[in-house]
Amino acid sequence: QSVLTQPPSVSAAPGQKVTISCSGSNSNIKNKYVSWYQQLPGTAPKLLIYENDRRPSGIPDRFSGSKSGTSATLGITGLQTGDEANYYCGTWDTSLSAGVFGGGTKVTVL
Amino acid sequence: QLQLQESGPGLVKPSETLSLTCSVSGDSIISGDYMWGWIRQPPGRGLEWIAFMYYSGTIHYNPSLKTRVTISVDTSNNQFSLKLNSVIAADTAVYFCARQRHITDWLDPWGQGILVTVSS
Repeated sequence: QSVLTQPPSVSAAPGQKVTISCSGSNSNIKNKYVSWYQQLPGTAPKLLIYENDRRPSGIPDRFSGSKSGTSATLGITGLQTGDEANYYCGTWDTSLSAGVFGGGTKVTVL
Repeated sequence: QLQLQESGPGLVKPSETLSLTCSVSGDSIISGDYMWGWIRQPPGRGLEWIAFMYYSGTIHYNPSLKTRVTISVDTSNNQFSLKLNSVIAADTAVYFCARQRHITDWLDPWGQGILVTVSS
């Protein structure tokens, strides 16, 4: 069982929008920064969003992040077939004094 | 450009010790702003944070693995290592090394990963 909770899968047609939720608690998301990672099949995870809503250089603005209370959300607009991947949220847990991840969400482009 | 590369045996026998090294190129491992450490991913499953450390010696462990994990930094060779002892089949996974930012805790970059299979 992951400390952070994500839906197992989401799907939408090309060009549409999807959102992925990440639910945590007061010991992690509430008071810490959330980051998001994209893992394409057979590759290492790549940083997609950091510090809740910031994009690294090279990440298109179709990807966005937000946080409210004990939850965070990743949004992907203008969905493309190349966006089919697993997406993970991550943060720090102050009770565990360790990093934690969500279980991952598979995005399917219909 | 900072790059990380894992190395080590791809097959370990049950009850033995898994040993991996991550070589860092493109920047120095000596930085108070970052931790260096390991994450794993069992086949077909999600990510599990294992342990990270500052070059100065402070270490953070996943409580579920703490008793079996040793992590160390070799500043002279700009690399860091993981040892996981008493391995079982459930430790079979792709092991990634990565850099973690202090305070804001984002992970970047990641190594390409190395599959370690625990089997006799």
